[in-house]
Amino acid sequence: DTAVSQTPKYLVTQMGNDKSIKCEQNLGHDTMYWYKQDSKKFLKIMFSYNNKELIINETVPNRFSPKSPDKAHLNLHINSLELGDSAVYFCASGGGGGAETQYFGPGTRLLVL
Amino acid sequence: DAKTTQPNSMESNEEEPVHLPCNHSTISGTDYIHWYRQLPSQGPEYVIHGLTSNVNNRMASLAIAEDRKSSTLILHRATLRDAAVYYCILRSGGGADGLTFGKGTHLIIQP
Repeated sequence: DTAVSQTPKYLVTQMGNDKSIKCEQNLGHDTMYWYKQDSKKFLKIMFSYNNKELIINETVPNRFSPKSPDKAHLNLHINSLELGDSAVYFCASGGGGGAETQYFGPGTRLLVL
Repeated sequence: DAKTTQPNSMESNEEEPVHLPCNHSTISGTDYIHWYRQLPSQGPEYVIHGLTSNVNNRMASLAIAEDRKSSTLILHRATLRDAAVYYCILRSGGGADGLTFGKGTHLIIQP
């Protein structure tokens, strides 16, 4: 079984559309994350979320919002897509402490035309 | 999180050991040293982590300097499948914040 899964794997859409990326983990972790990897391959944290706390990277536009229906899922909603949103988005799960390991999904490659 | 410095790229031959250095001179006492790697077209993958003592696992070894201002990831016998970008990351002891990735070291393995 895949520990952290994401759907879809590829997403091509037009500017201005609203889209969602789904993430599921079966590891029983309390904390889930979304990361963005841009065309220059820089990986940046977007959100950290557990059932008590949402930590938002201040550079993330408010068009991006995480939604967690339950502990095993953290979906990413993106409104009014822009060309600059084209990137690979990775979901991850893990513990919140300094010694904890994070497990990453395979990524969703988003292309905004 | 404190900053880390790594070489942009390194090259090694297959079946030889590889030593990947990382400097973290501003590390705090509660920072753990983590290493992740990202193979082409895949998500990052955990490799190893430590606090003060050297660590070994099935993938690699982590050697931590006595003053903790630097560390070295050791791949004992590199294979072509080890070609990846390797990230050295410091993570503080508390909180649910994510990992802060730098540019990492692009490891090239020659057959």
